[in-house]
Amino acid sequence: IVMTQTPVSSLVTLGQPASISCRSSHSLLHRDGNTYLSWLQQRPGQPPRLLIYKTSYRFSGVPDRFSGSGAGTNFTLKISRVEAEDVGVYYCMQTTRLYTFGQGTRLEIK
Amino acid sequence: EAQVVASGGGLVQPGGSLRLSCATSGFTFSRYWMHWVRQTPEKGLVWVARINIEGSDTSYEESVKGRFTISRDNAKSTLYLEMNSLRAEDTAVYYCASLTTPAILGGQGTVVTVSS
Repeated sequence: IVMTQTPVSSLVTLGQPASISCRSSHSLLHRDGNTYLSWLQQRPGQPPRLLIYKTSYRFSGVPDRFSGSGAGTNFTLKISRVEAEDVGVYYCMQTTRLYTFGQGTRLEIK
Repeated sequence: EAQVVASGGGLVQPGGSLRLSCATSGFTFSRYWMHWVRQTPEKGLVWVARINIEGSDTSYEESVKGRFTISRDNAKSTLYLEMNSLRAEDTAVYYCASLTTPAILGGQGTVVTVSS
């Protein structure tokens, strides 16, 4: 399964919303009824960390300004109000059939 | 808090070998499938290998099949990656993780550089 993210980079003003899209080449609906799409954040110089799993479940400790949505082959990560600490690269990851990652979206502050 | 920390990377010549280790804590290691993922600027994040709970079933990304071997020691809560016949294109930061949902990520990776 190929994962394609848009945009490649995003320049956002502090306090403004941001949105990242992820499209999969095949449906991510698993036969068990779950959709195994996750979002990861990688801050500069840091390893990736989990933000969102199963499309819309926020991982423990993740601020509620982060939200995930979508179904089938189209998914979105939204940040309601961007903060300085949100700078980094965001990846979508599917684990429905083996494991593949999007190419990443770089978020920068204006 | 679940933690995974990879180690064992370094500089190795083409054709050489390395053994990576991953120390884990904060979760019941023996209940999780475990994975290795690598990252390069060119290809981004790429899944490399996975192993089931008992260590009896493994799976590999096509380019490393026959060269890499994933294994685990549940008594020591440790994951391993034996890498043989290394190539320049294996140069990457290697992370261990559990990609079962929700994923266990966030540990420091280990840098592998294959160069003469």
